[in-house]
Amino acid sequence: ETGVTQTPRHLVMGMTNKKSLKCEQHLGHNAMYWYKQSAKKPLELMFVYSLEERVENNSVPSRFSPECPNSSHLFLHLHTLQPEDSALYLCASSQETGYNGDEQFFGPGTRLTVL
Amino acid sequence: GEDVEQSLFLSVREGDSSVINCTYTDSSSTYLYWYKQEPGAGLQLLTYIFSNMDMKQDQRLTVLLNKKDKHLSLRIADTQTGDSAIYFCAEKNDYKLSFGAGTTVTVRA
Repeated sequence: ETGVTQTPRHLVMGMTNKKSLKCEQHLGHNAMYWYKQSAKKPLELMFVYSLEERVENNSVPSRFSPECPNSSHLFLHLHTLQPEDSALYLCASSQETGYNGDEQFFGPGTRLTVL
Repeated sequence: GEDVEQSLFLSVREGDSSVINCTYTDSSSTYLYWYKQEPGAGLQLLTYIFSNMDMKQDQRLTVLLNKKDKHLSLRIADTQTGDSAIYFCAEKNDYKLSFGAGTTVTVRA
């Protein structure tokens, strides 16, 4: 595997379910990101991790819970979601967070539908 | 705060040039980016420009930056059907990327 991978690619869940999204980067990067992409809206930055420490939490509801066990893996745990949480969830990684020219590499995303 | 705006749709004939425009508000942005998203895929970095540059050319892609007006454009020469995608403009300040809503480019024969 190369680059940034995300599983599952598609997920349908009920509002009472608990599920997790997984992201893995094979680039040796130190920073990882979760974004939410809703139709015709700008990407929303949700969480940023640098060396497994959370450095950004953009007022995201507590029903979204991130976990970064090491610099290669990032999870987004989901529970009691709402239909408006249906979106494409994108993971990205970059070498560092403090370097302005650092490119973020994106995974293909998980298409989440909440019924 | 950051606010990046782009038009939502662009239709272009195959072989013509496409121009996608973007405006941003954060004058302290140091880098500006263009990303491409094809159906079912994540975002792919196309090109970027440092804020002290006016223009950058990379094969069929030309980026123009007017820092005074906070206006960024992406020109795709000789547009092909494979260029059909959503194009996102983004500005970067520190580690934060602020994206526009994306411009859907449709290439017609």
